[in-house]
Amino acid sequence: DTEVTQTPKHLVMGMTNKKSLKCEQHMGHRAMYWYKQKAKKPPELMFVYSYEKLSINESVPSRFSPECPNSSLLNLHLHALQPEDSALYLCASSQDRASSSYNEQFFGPGTRLTVL
Amino acid sequence: EDQVTQSPEALRLQEGESSSLNCSYTVSGLRGLFWYRQDPGKGPEFLFTLYSAGEEKEKERLKATLTKKESFLHITAPKPEDSATYLCALIDRGSTLGRLYFGRGTQLTVWP
Repeated sequence: DTEVTQTPKHLVMGMTNKKSLKCEQHMGHRAMYWYKQKAKKPPELMFVYSYEKLSINESVPSRFSPECPNSSLLNLHLHALQPEDSALYLCASSQDRASSSYNEQFFGPGTRLTVL
Repeated sequence: EDQVTQSPEALRLQEGESSSLNCSYTVSGLRGLFWYRQDPGKGPEFLFTLYSAGEEKEKERLKATLTKKESFLHITAPKPEDSATYLCALIDRGSTLGRLYFGRGTQLTVWP
């Protein structure tokens, strides 16, 4: 099973709203990622969690707040977003990068976020 | 400077017309090169991992190859359902956290 699930599929929010995106995997992967993807562009890395600890924050604005409650779950909390934050938000997971010589990332279907 | 460059940006093929997509890279050491397929509005779907020059992987009509400077995704006798954006990505050996560097993708359209 190489499935990563994400909820919701679509989200429309106002600039004053607070919402959360959720991601789940049951492959035993210990690294999880958030990406942002704009139309006709490749995914851009936002955050990396390794063994439930935040390892990379790609200078993402504080209105995006990641959380990793356990090894299977990853959340992205959204607050006071701007219209330019509208994009496809992708979650991915991969095996323990420390002990593996490879590191395929498996992506979820994404959440299409629209900020009004 | 982009570490991963994909060409062409867009490719239109007639059904059955075989072709190749190119991914060239400039990194000090390659830890792994990955091919993904992405349909509009969906997440990238993993296709292949290549680790070393000379390696080849196949899946149905797709075959991925790797040299020291580039990778090719060969599509044999494509069908309309192969239409998608194909993304190449790699992990640099110097990367400590499995950071993926993506190319901009090749948008493939196969018409009947």
